[in-house]
Amino acid sequence: TQLLEQSPQFLSIQEGENLTVYCNSSSVFSSLQWYRQEPGEGPVLLVTVVTGGEVKKLKRLTFQFGDARKDSSLHITAAQPGDTGLYLCAGFYGNNRLAFGKGNQVVVIP
Amino acid sequence: DVKVTQSSRYLVKRTGEKVFLECVQDMDHENMFWYRQDPGLGLRLIYFSYDVKMKEKGDIPEGYSVSREKKERFSLILESASTNQTSMYLCASSLTSGGDYEQYFGPGTRLTVT
Repeated sequence: TQLLEQSPQFLSIQEGENLTVYCNSSSVFSSLQWYRQEPGEGPVLLVTVVTGGEVKKLKRLTFQFGDARKDSSLHITAAQPGDTGLYLCAGFYGNNRLAFGKGNQVVVIP
Repeated sequence: DVKVTQSSRYLVKRTGEKVFLECVQDMDHENMFWYRQDPGLGLRLIYFSYDVKMKEKGDIPEGYSVSREKKERFSLILESASTNQTSMYLCASSLTSGGDYEQYFGPGTRLTVT
């Protein structure tokens, strides 16, 4: 099993602040995905990063894939209460399987 | 709108009962997956299927079996439920090819075994 470590495990911030969460592994992945899961729902894909060093933006969310394709970060600018959720990173490791990290629980306080 | 549905949102069963969790997808996806999600442990793959009647063990298959008789339906079976199988169960589906391998998840079934 490929291991993905996410940090911090829990983060609580005020509305309007910025935050960054991290996903790290000792393994190289051909691609990494970020999902967001809201209470009582299944995870929903936010983005896939494929190329080392790649940066993708989704409105106020910025995703970066490390040069060595072992790590990724998610930066949220001016967080909103709607950004509250569990952010999961996942690495594709062949045979159509994804390895998931344990998640970053983000709470944005109005 | 793509959809993965699970037969129950909440389920309470007794120890030793046989439990069936059903998952249906309407996207003609080849791959289907069963995960369980526990606090502090994240999502762990139980079984997946890449075609009808085909299955592969995931990371934690013990105590579980699966069935895929039709492309759109993937069932998870707990032969004899135990209290340590109390968990949130998530079903997902994806295409085999196409690059992103996005997994589409159902809303989950919260199973309690008493």
